[in-house]
Amino acid sequence: GESVGLHLPTLSVQEGDNSIINCAYSNSASDYFIWYKQESGKGPQFIIDIRSNMDKRQGQRVTVLLNKTVKHLSLQIAATQPGDSAVYFCAEKGEGGNQGGKLIFGQGTELSVKP
Amino acid sequence: DTGVSQDPRHKITKRGQNVTFRCDPISEHNRLYWYRQTLGQGPEFLTYFQNEAQLEKSRLLSDRFSAERPKGSFSTLEIQRTEQGDSAMYLCASSPKDRRVVGYTFGSGTRLTVV
Repeated sequence: GESVGLHLPTLSVQEGDNSIINCAYSNSASDYFIWYKQESGKGPQFIIDIRSNMDKRQGQRVTVLLNKTVKHLSLQIAATQPGDSAVYFCAEKGEGGNQGGKLIFGQGTELSVKP
Repeated sequence: DTGVSQDPRHKITKRGQNVTFRCDPISEHNRLYWYRQTLGQGPEFLTYFQNEAQLEKSRLLSDRFSAERPKGSFSTLEIQRTEQGDSAMYLCASSPKDRRVVGYTFGSGTRLTVV
């Protein structure tokens, strides 16, 4: 079946460095790919999304890259800060048919920022 | 409106007991989703509502689980005859019908512990 997964379960970076979190997906029919941040004891928080017909989208300190050829998604965080420490999930979303806009999440990558 | 609210935040119950969780979505959102998340994993889809209609249920949602959204506003998730395997974080999320809004807004979840 379709799945969304992450390459690395943990990532440790120095404060101020850039972080790159990767994700592989298998369902090429998804309409959107989304990154969520989840801090301990809280629900996932939307960070940024990218539509399937785009290959790059930038937000504030974050950039998402989509490579449909190899079904790969990445989240780049510039100048990583201690407040960025959290678990990051990629998710895919489909609106067509009976998908109803539900999200399919990957396992998550824990980002740890060292001061 | 301060976001998606879930109640209670924590619930400890004995195996075999019934539990009910409540979710209050963002008021103008017509879609409401329930997810379950176990430690170290991404959220797994359980069910979703569009207004008061329950449009899809995951096969994860056994006969012991039932969800309602009687007036298209708040929703309840009930688990009957709880089992230890039901221990998890139960997340609720909502989204508007406008498909230009891609990401959901999640609540902080209800953490269920079955002893």
